[in-house]
Amino acid sequence: DSGVTQTPKHLITATGQRVTLRCSPRSGDLSVYWYQQSLDQGLQFLIQYYNGEERAKGNILERFSAQQFPDLHSELNLSSLELGDSALYFCASSVGLAGASTDTQYFGPGTRLTVL
Amino acid sequence: TQLLEQSPQFLSIQEGENLTVYCNSSSVFSSLQWYRQEPGEGPVLLVTVVTGGEVKKLKRLTFQFGDARKDSSLHITAAQPGDTGLYLCAGSSAWGGGADGLTFGKGTHLIIQP
Repeated sequence: DSGVTQTPKHLITATGQRVTLRCSPRSGDLSVYWYQQSLDQGLQFLIQYYNGEERAKGNILERFSAQQFPDLHSELNLSSLELGDSALYFCASSVGLAGASTDTQYFGPGTRLTVL
Repeated sequence: TQLLEQSPQFLSIQEGENLTVYCNSSSVFSSLQWYRQEPGEGPVLLVTVVTGGEVKKLKRLTFQFGDARKDSSLHITAAQPGDTGLYLCAGSSAWGGGADGLTFGKGTHLIIQP
């Protein structure tokens, strides 16, 4: 158990819909990361938040957005869903040490999104 | 865009054999991590290598970071069925500016047959 929790574990929805994925980081971790894992693209970094503020952006679509709340939990919002958005979505957290060349990221169990 | 190429993509060997998985890039990374992922679960960190030329050993697993910090390898000695899983390498480019998103290779699916 990494200490990172994600809900829901599974989500089935239809094209055009909007969903929200939730992540609670490990106690004490200030950074939260979102990743998407699909069979053809592998694990891809979407976005990072640090202590409530956006820190880095990866291959995140404009239809997707995220935020980190004062209690440090994070939500990933996916809208106008398409079939190709079906994937595993992982949240990871780290302490978020500024100036550090390494900062271990601990991954949650993921949310499996199926768009029908 | 930074890319990490992992090879082989699939590997099926007999218990007791040795194997090596490679992770290569044209980009330089501040650190490189190896993860193992089981079906339906999140990746679990095995090791982080930071210094060019660094070698780390974790029981039967040996990890090496290339001198130029562009490549890494994972060597497993006397593989066991419990080693079966998806092995992922991931590079970080957080050069003293705080952590950022990792760049992952597509992984090596390893099956160890008893």
